[in-house]
Parts: sequence; structure tokens; C-alpha cells
Amino acid sequence: DAKTTQPPSMDCAEGRAANLPCNHSTISGNEYVYWYRQIHSQGPQYIIHGLKNNETNEMASLIITEDRKSSTLILPHATLRDTAVYYCIVRVRSTGNQFYFGTGTSLTVIP
Amino acid sequence: GAVVSQHPSRVICKSGTSVKIECRSLDFQATTMFWYRQFPKKSLMLMATSNEGSKATYEQGVEKDKFLINHASLTLSTLTVTSAHPEDSSFYICSARGGSGRGNNEQFFGPGTRLTVL
Repeated sequence: DAKTTQPPSMDCAEGRAANLPCNHSTISGNEYVYWYRQIHSQGPQYIIHGLKNNETNEMASLIITEDRKSSTLILPHATLRDTAVYYCIVRVRSTGNQFYFGTGTSLTVIP
Repeated sequence: GAVVSQHPSRVICKSGTSVKIECRSLDFQATTMFWYRQFPKKSLMLMATSNEGSKATYEQGVEKDKFLINHASLTLSTLTVTSAHPEDSSFYICSARGGSGRGNNEQFFGPGTRLTVL
């Protein structure tokens, strides 16, 4: 079962920062937080992941709270092509390292 | 990122027939592959975890005799939907994870296969 909860939808103005929250209050100490996004009828695309430190790459920044119970994905300058469903996932620590997807947040970037 | 392909991208079949979907990791060796299904406007649901050279592990509620998974090499896994029925119509997505180096932590997803059973 998914260990994350996200708001079902959000809007963001083009060019502004999009801040997508995620709650994962039952996360274990050695479980990573991953973010993927899915554009309609395509496979999910990897964005970023982290354990406890904040992370940044060319796509986004990931801010994880000190207690690790929540995180925020930041798209610094949203474009229309960022319109997608964004999934926050806690990677299960097992031999298979499965992903259990929650419902995700449907982000709409508005011109 | 690493590239994962699926074939076919779209398939339409008659009820009662079997359909095979291939998942390939093109530029890394995938020790583990995962199969998901996704219904319209719904999230991805994990069906099974497949490790190279061993039997797949199925999630609760997924019929292993209905959805046959073979992971015969480090770059190929197949999902066969046996005796397909209209309720099996869905978007099937695979992902691959490497054992070390490239693809070690992330799962890289294929583009998906749209199955329609008439």
C-alpha cells in the first residue's frame, strides 16, 4: 500500500514556482522518497529522490522536513510542459524495493 | 536516464486470446523488473516483481496463472495475459531496476502498452 498522501490537484501560473506537497508520516528511517511524473498515456518519468537531505537537480528541488514526515517538490519555473500527474513514492525497503503509487497530484500549469 | 522499451505499444485482441507484452532494458542490465497496470484516471497498481532467473512475486489479488511473467535474461521480461477478457483492458507499464551502477536506485519506466480486449 502507498505510504504517501498528496492533494489531488493544483494549479500554477506559467513561470512561477510550483510547490507540490507530500505527506509520508509512517516513513521508516532508511526509506527513500522518490518523485515521478506522468504525462497522459506515457510511462512515469523520474524526477528526483532523497533520504533526509534536501536535493536539487536540473529538473527540480526536493525539500524534506527534519522529521522526514513530509516533503515538497519544487519546480522553480513551471512551463506548460510540466502539466502532468506528480507522484510522491516511498521506496519500500525489501529485496525488491517496490514502488507503491498513491493517487498523485494533477498539476495544471496555466498560461 | 536509462531507457526501457515496451512492445507492442498498443494491442487489440479478441476475448479468449492470449497477449504477450515485452519489456526491455536497452542500455543496462535489469536484475529486477516490475509490472504495473493502470486504469483510466487511476494510479499505477503494482502487479508483480520479477527477478532474473527466478519466479515472479505477485501482489495480493493478482492471479499468477492469469498474468504469466517470465524474466529469462537481464534485459528482457515478458508479461502474458492469458485468456484475455474485456475487464483486462488496461494500460500495462513495466519498469526496470539495475543491480549496480546505472539504474541501481531508480526505477526506469517503459512507455506502456495499451491493451484493448473486444
